[in-house]
Amino acid sequence: DVKVTQSSRYLVKRTGEKVFLECVQDMDHENMFWYRQDPGLGLRLIYFSYDVKMKEKGDIPEGYSVSREKKERFSLILESASTNQTSMYLCASSLGPLGYEQYFGPGTRLTVT
Amino acid sequence: QQQVKQSPQSLIVQKGGISIINCAYENTAFDYFPWYQQFPGKGPALLIAIRPDVSEKKEGRFTISFNKSAKQFSLHIMDSQPGDSATYFCAAHYNQGGKLIFGQGTELSVKP
Repeated sequence: DVKVTQSSRYLVKRTGEKVFLECVQDMDHENMFWYRQDPGLGLRLIYFSYDVKMKEKGDIPEGYSVSREKKERFSLILESASTNQTSMYLCASSLGPLGYEQYFGPGTRLTVT
Repeated sequence: QQQVKQSPQSLIVQKGGISIINCAYENTAFDYFPWYQQFPGKGPALLIAIRPDVSEKKEGRFTISFNKSAKQFSLHIMDSQPGDSATYFCAAHYNQGGKLIFGQGTELSVKP
């Protein structure tokens, strides 16, 4: 069964902290994605990766970075968390560049105080 | 820049009724238009998808209608059930690169 797991369901951090969100997929998918979900704005793409050590900016990359050292793992990093980064963060993976089916993890609800 | 616009933001339907969610897109470089369903506490999951050269696709109670000339597509849920209560996202898939652009989402509530 297809599975995408995220390291935390809920996370509370202070302004200025460095935050790591981890995502692991067990489907040997090439593509991995990080989104943030906010009410009324839908899912917005932060960063994505087509292969190990490759990364591409999405629509809202400011304030974030990513790391993909292994095919199955894709990390999202908030270098200095701010209150406007309080959100639900969703990781997804898909098979190959033509795949429109993305498999999502359950999400991490991050609160920055 | 929002390339996929979805409406309504929320929808309340009686059990047995028809739920209709609409989306419009701007870019012609899209090659698939999927719909995702998200239950509370879960990530979105693919529900149904359509190619732009097809005008309608039906899977069970779920139907996508596609109007290429108007750059619009919609999801119809026939005989809506309380178990259909969820947030629905339309999306558009770029024909190069695998990116999805999502609409703003519609929170559907089906009343018994």
